[in-house]
Amino acid sequence: DIVMTQSPFSLAVSEGEMVTINCKSSQSLLSSGNQKNYLAWYQQKPGQSPKLLIYYASTRQSGVPDRFIGSGSGTDFTLTISDVQAEDLADYYCLQHYSYPLTFGSGTKLEIK
Amino acid sequence: QVTLKESGPGMLQPSKTLSLTCSFSGFSLSTSGMVVSWIRQPSGKSLEWLAAIDWDGDKYYNPSLKSRLTVSKDTSNTQVFLKITSVDIADTATYYCARSRIPLEWGQGVMVTVSS
Repeated sequence: DIVMTQSPFSLAVSEGEMVTINCKSSQSLLSSGNQKNYLAWYQQKPGQSPKLLIYYASTRQSGVPDRFIGSGSGTDFTLTISDVQAEDLADYYCLQHYSYPLTFGSGTKLEIK
Repeated sequence: QVTLKESGPGMLQPSKTLSLTCSFSGFSLSTSGMVVSWIRQPSGKSLEWLAAIDWDGDKYYNPSLKSRLTVSKDTSNTQVFLKITSVDIADTATYYCARSRIPLEWGQGVMVTVSS
């Protein structure tokens, strides 16, 4: 299984600030066939199901604000949220969709000061 | 519009078999490339992918639970099922079904409590 190591566990920021969440995989998620990184990011607000934000490491899902930016390649990935808004209060998870079993990171709780 | 909805017993006793149903609309599991996955989340914890079934009937399981899991679908391709045998307290969680290999649309989840 591919192990996903996510950090930090939690962070608290004020509105308007920028945050970065990191995810490291135990093996490369880069496909040699199509040069895509099989890494997704999810947002889970309290009491809700997870929502897909980013897939293939940097492709924003339709309707997701452009302040959510995914980057990285190989084994190291980052989700950056610029200009954090109060509505961004949530847990964030990375997911490798390179191979079964799909595996998630341990999650990052974003709090708004 | 794609919708998914999970259903299950709510509560069951240890050692019993958990049966879950994912009823969906807005897509057909017979469409090439389509996948439905089961994912669970204990309260306050991260997500764990359990199993998936694709349009061709191929099944994929989390090796850590494989011996206890069975995923299947109905012949009309509008429902997917998951059975977990010999449940224990550690199986207490919210169970989700989701569409596509990169889980895109998710159901609202069904809470399952294992307790004697």
